[in-house]
Amino acid sequence: NAGVTQTPKFQVLKTGQSMTLQCAQDMNHEYMSWYRQDPGMGLRLIHYSVGAGITDQGEVPNGYNVSRSTTEDFPLRLLSAAPSQTSVYFCASSKGTRGSYEQYFGPGTRLTVT
Amino acid sequence: GNSVTQMEGPVTLSEEAFLTINCTYTATGYPSLFWYVQYPGEGLQLLLKATKADDKGSNKGFEATYRKETTSFHLEKGSVQVSDSAVYFCALSNNRGGGADGLTFGKGTHLIIQP
Repeated sequence: NAGVTQTPKFQVLKTGQSMTLQCAQDMNHEYMSWYRQDPGMGLRLIHYSVGAGITDQGEVPNGYNVSRSTTEDFPLRLLSAAPSQTSVYFCASSKGTRGSYEQYFGPGTRLTVT
Repeated sequence: GNSVTQMEGPVTLSEEAFLTINCTYTATGYPSLFWYVQYPGEGLQLLLKATKADDKGSNKGFEATYRKETTSFHLEKGSVQVSDSAVYFCALSNNRGGGADGLTFGKGTHLIIQP
């Protein structure tokens, strides 16, 4: 199993550009989520999905869109990039939606917006 | 709401020293508690977890006990190695299901072990 994969690993955008961060998992997990990691802030939840066709907002959803058309994929879209979105983005998945399940993280995408 | 507070870093220790990284939390109900580790350039990996009061999670020589009376989940290791150098995150998840809370993370503690 590849686990959770993310592409690209690095990306530089200009303010106002749009892009999609890709996330895929091959563990047949119901639950997938996106976090951003900023220095001194820990990780903060952006959006999550409890199954195909179901998504919802986390703590910091503004400026991001998600969709979940398949169990395996959960892309994160930046509609109009802003410097405040410079961050490291992590996708995670888990077997179920109960809080005690382990979450598996991808290797991250480092995004810089100039 | 939920919150996790852990000691600020970096924490610098010599090899074979005893490690404690403090973590306290605020949450409603009965959360599950986790320690995740992040090695340079990688994503987070689960190190250990505890799902109810007085549970002890352990892995790779690390351990932490879920203390409901002090709302704490301190990470300990008896003898650290250079390979333990990483950033350690304490996290919690409420067990209400539905995914609404995800994980609430502390800010992370950068641990540096010197030979």
